[in-house]
Amino acid sequence: GQSLEQPSEVTAVEGAIVQINCTYQTSGFYGLSWYQQHDGGAPTFLSYNALDGLEETGRFSSFLSRSDSYGYLLLQELQMKDSASYFCAVLTGGGNKLTFGTGTQLKVEL
Amino acid sequence: EAQVTQNPRYLITVTGKKLTVTCSQNMNHEYMSWYRQDPGLGLRQIYYSMNVEVTDKGDVPEGYKVSRKEKRNFPLILESPSPNQTSLYFCASSLFPSGGTHEQYFGPGTRLTVT
Repeated sequence: GQSLEQPSEVTAVEGAIVQINCTYQTSGFYGLSWYQQHDGGAPTFLSYNALDGLEETGRFSSFLSRSDSYGYLLLQELQMKDSASYFCAVLTGGGNKLTFGTGTQLKVEL
Repeated sequence: EAQVTQNPRYLITVTGKKLTVTCSQNMNHEYMSWYRQDPGLGLRQIYYSMNVEVTDKGDVPEGYKVSRKEKRNFPLILESPSPNQTSLYFCASSLFPSGGTHEQYFGPGTRLTVT
């Protein structure tokens, strides 16, 4: 089966940079995705890494090291609206199956 | 507007009474999936479908059925609901192949309570 580990909670101040780590154990690894979920809302897609390296999308970047079974999400210039839960998720089964981590609750403070 | 819709959004039912949660997408996506979300457990995949008449089990399929008779619809069926199926359910869809990102678009969720 698949297992993912990420911190349960992270707190940072507005304007700062925060990194949310994700380690995984899986067979048939296809890629690593990140999703954001605000309280009471649906998950929304942030980024996807299939190959080693950094993917940048605006204030958000995601990194993957396949050899280390490790990835992270980097959020820069934090804003209050970034307070949400962030989930890493591994794609397996040729991209058909998505297994989520238990999520990291990010609190952004003034 | 491109979207995934689910109905009902909230449902309280009793043990053993069959129910169906509908899911529909208007993006012509091949891939659709159901997840349940429980506190401390994240989202867990129940079933997925790669296209019409093609479905497969996710990580927690026990107690659930699905069907994919039309590309846009992917209903989730609970033949005999039990209290341990009380959860928040999300339907999602995606292009398959997706062009690289495998981005899944999620519906608003259905909060189910089984008493």
